[in-house]
Amino acid sequence: EAGVAQSPRYKIIEKRQSVAFWCNPISGHATLYWYQQILGQGPKLLIQFQNNGVVDDSQLPKDRFSAERLKGVDSTLKIQPAKLEDSAVYLCASQPAGSTEAFFGQGTRLTVV
Amino acid sequence: AQSVTQPDIHITVSEGASLELRCNYSYGATPYLFWYVQSPGQGLQLLLKYFSGDTLVQGIKGFEAEFKRSQSSFNLRKPSVHWSDAAEYFCAVGANFNKFYFGSGTKLNVKP
Repeated sequence: EAGVAQSPRYKIIEKRQSVAFWCNPISGHATLYWYQQILGQGPKLLIQFQNNGVVDDSQLPKDRFSAERLKGVDSTLKIQPAKLEDSAVYLCASQPAGSTEAFFGQGTRLTVV
Repeated sequence: AQSVTQPDIHITVSEGASLELRCNYSYGATPYLFWYVQSPGQGLQLLLKYFSGDTLVQGIKGFEAEFKRSQSSFNLRKPSVHWSDAAEYFCAVGANFNKFYFGSGTKLNVKP
């Protein structure tokens, strides 16, 4: 079974630029998460999708971050404009309906300079 | 509000020695508790989880954890550590099986 795929693996941008990350969850998984993991901290939930609907985006900085999950499959997370404090690893995870386990991708490491 | 505290930022143990990683949580209801491991450059992998029943749960790679409601703890243990166990370990609490809140992690170093 293929895992959660994320791209790119690494991205370096200047502050005030925009950036987008892509996630392809495991086939058939209804729930998809985006987490932000700042160096030295645990992952923090940004947004949770159930199929193509948003379940929770209470911790998403909506003035600069946006996310979508078209057709309930792939998802993109966008930051516009980026700030220095957005430097982090962005993790995508997916979870099948009724399951107790979320499966994580390898993440995208973003450096904002 | 829910939160997770992992008091130890770094731990070093000798290969073959026993290991205990501490986790304390704050949650208003019956928590769902998890331990994840993250190797460098990798995503998180679930080691074990607890939501009800026997308070001592077994996981993969020889790990176990014990839920102690009176102490609000869910400590991770392994009787004999292998060099391949060197990684970062995260404890997480959830209202159910989604929307997890993670601790800040404990980095494990294994001495030969």
